[in-house]
This record gives sequence, C-alpha cells and structure tokens, in this order.
Amino acid sequence: EAGVVQSPRYKIIEKKQPVAFWCNPISGHNTLYWYLQNLGQGPELLIRYENEEAVDDSQLPKDRFSAERLKGVDSTLKIQPAELGDSAVYLCASSSELAEQFFGPGTRLTVL
Amino acid sequence: GNSVTQMEGPVTLSEEAFLTINCTYTATGYPSLFWYVQYPGEGLQLLLKATKADDKGSNKGFEATYRKETTSFHLEKGSVQVSDSAVYFCSSSSGNTGKLIFGQGTTLQVKP
Repeated sequence: EAGVVQSPRYKIIEKKQPVAFWCNPISGHNTLYWYLQNLGQGPELLIRYENEEAVDDSQLPKDRFSAERLKGVDSTLKIQPAELGDSAVYLCASSSELAEQFFGPGTRLTVL
Repeated sequence: GNSVTQMEGPVTLSEEAFLTINCTYTATGYPSLFWYVQYPGEGLQLLLKATKADDKGSNKGFEATYRKETTSFHLEKGSVQVSDSAVYFCSSSSGNTGKLIFGQGTTLQVKP
C-alpha cells in the first residue's frame, strides 16, 4: 500500500514569492492534516480536513496561507507571499476517521 | 492548553546501552499518548501508543507506560542498536479532534 505522497520534497524560493505544496493521502483516508515543523521542534497542526471540509484551521495564518481539498482526496497548501520565517518542513498526514495518523516525508521549504 | 515536554537531546549512547527518554504532558481529561520516530530523510512513524492510564505500549523492543499520577510517558529500551539512531517525538491526542500535540523531539545517537 502506498504511503502519503508529498511533492516537492525540497523547495527554495525568494521572499515574497508564492509557493505551493501538494499532498496525496493514503487511499481511503478521509482525514487529512497539514503540519508545520520548525527546525528542532515538533510538528504543529495547521489545518485538518474531514473529506473536503476544513474542520480545524484555527492555527492557519490566513493572511498568507491557504489550503484546499476540493474532491476530498489530495490537498494543496499555498503560501503567498512567502516570508523568511516560513522556512520549515511542511508535513502532510492522513488517517481513517480519527485513527492512527500516517505521515508523508514532508516538503522542506527554504525562503531566501 | 495541552502540552508535551520531553528531555532535550542529543542523547548519545553506546550500542547495547539502556535508553530512557523522559516525556511529561499536561492535558484536560485523559489523552491518548504516542511516541513517534523520525529517521533521517523520512516522515514520522508511529512507534507505540497507549490510550488509557496504566496501559503499556510496546514495539521493536521499545516500551512506554501511561502514568496518570505522574503525567508521564517515558520511552525505554533495554539494549539500543545503531539502527535506532533517530529523532523521537512524544505526543498526546486530546478529545475527539484527532489533533496531536508534539514535544520538541529528542535526537538519539547510538555509536557502535
């Protein structure tokens, strides 16, 4: 069974540029999570989807971050414009209902 | 709010040494508790979990016991191997949201 797929694995951009990350969850998993992991820290939840509905986006900085999961399967997280402080690893995870979360390898973003 | 605190690393051990990584939590109610492991270049993987007080989670020689009286979930292994070198994250899940709260991670380095 394929795991959670994320792309790209690495992204380097200049500040004020837009960037997007893509996640394809494990087949059949209706719950999808985006986490932010700063260097030397544990992941922090940005947004949680149940199917196509964002049920918890309280930690998402909505002035520059947006996310979508239009058909309740794959998801895109966008930052526009990126700032230096956005340099981090962006993790996607999925689960069936609220069971064990399976994590993807993450996208490492560097903002110059 | 809920939080997780784990011992700072790096922890450096010789092969076959005994491992303890301390983890304490604060939470309203009775969360489920988890240990995740992150190998270099990979996503987080669930190592073990416990869902109620006095439960012991175990996997791959690692163990952790849910101690309500001390609000702790310390990770232990009797004899570590070089292949156990990774970053270990303690985590709690509160209520029925599926939201995971992570500690800052502890890097384990095992030398031959």
